[in-house]
Amino acid sequence: QTVVTQEPSFSVSPGETVTLTCGLTSGSVSTSSYPSWYRQTPGQAPRTLIYNTNLRSSGVPDRFSGSILGNKAALTITGAQADDESDFYCVLYMGSGYTVFGGGTKLTVL
Amino acid sequence: QLQLQESGPGLVKASETLSLRCTVSGGSISKLVYYWVWVRQPPGKGLEWIGSISYSGNTYHNPSLKSRVSMSVDPSKNQFSLRMTSVTAADTALYYCARLRDDCSSTYCFVHFDYWGQGTLVTVSS
Repeated sequence: QTVVTQEPSFSVSPGETVTLTCGLTSGSVSTSSYPSWYRQTPGQAPRTLIYNTNLRSSGVPDRFSGSILGNKAALTITGAQADDESDFYCVLYMGSGYTVFGGGTKLTVL
Repeated sequence: QLQLQESGPGLVKASETLSLRCTVSGGSISKLVYYWVWVRQPPGKGLEWIGSISYSGNTYHNPSLKSRVSMSVDPSKNQFSLRMTSVTAADTALYYCARLRDDCSSTYCFVHFDYWGQGTLVTVSS
């Protein structure tokens, strides 16, 4: 069974750059898995940040960017802000509607 | 603007069947480039994909849920549904319905969740 890994938590100071990653317990993440990233704040449904590895969803600031770093997908936040505190989820696509969620990263900005 | 709205009982007894419905408004469910998806989130935990269904009824569900899950779609009502049998306390969660865009051609491919419902909490009681 496919298991997608993410850092459980990450802490960053305001203004700093942070990179969250999304990997596989077995194998590498590539663009063919169409990695996407979602942000969830308490009490809210997830919202799309990045899809197709590096495409920003409408309205998402350009300080959010996606890439493949080594064998993982990555979400980089350049110049973190206090209101970036959220849970971030990576999703990989296996085809035919089959998706796998990572465990999520809780980002703290302080 | 597309909207998805989950509905169903908020309390289900252990060993019984959970049934939820998602009503889609503001757009048609009958488009090949989309899958209609159920995702859940246990309290304080992460998101888990339950399963996906196309408007034509093709389904794929999370292998970890084995044969407990079934999904159906009713294009005439712009709705899709989830049934989960033999529920336990571990199935207590916020259940979301969502749209997964799987829009590929010979020259491009866009894949991502683009719309979500607000979620409905289902509690399994003993």
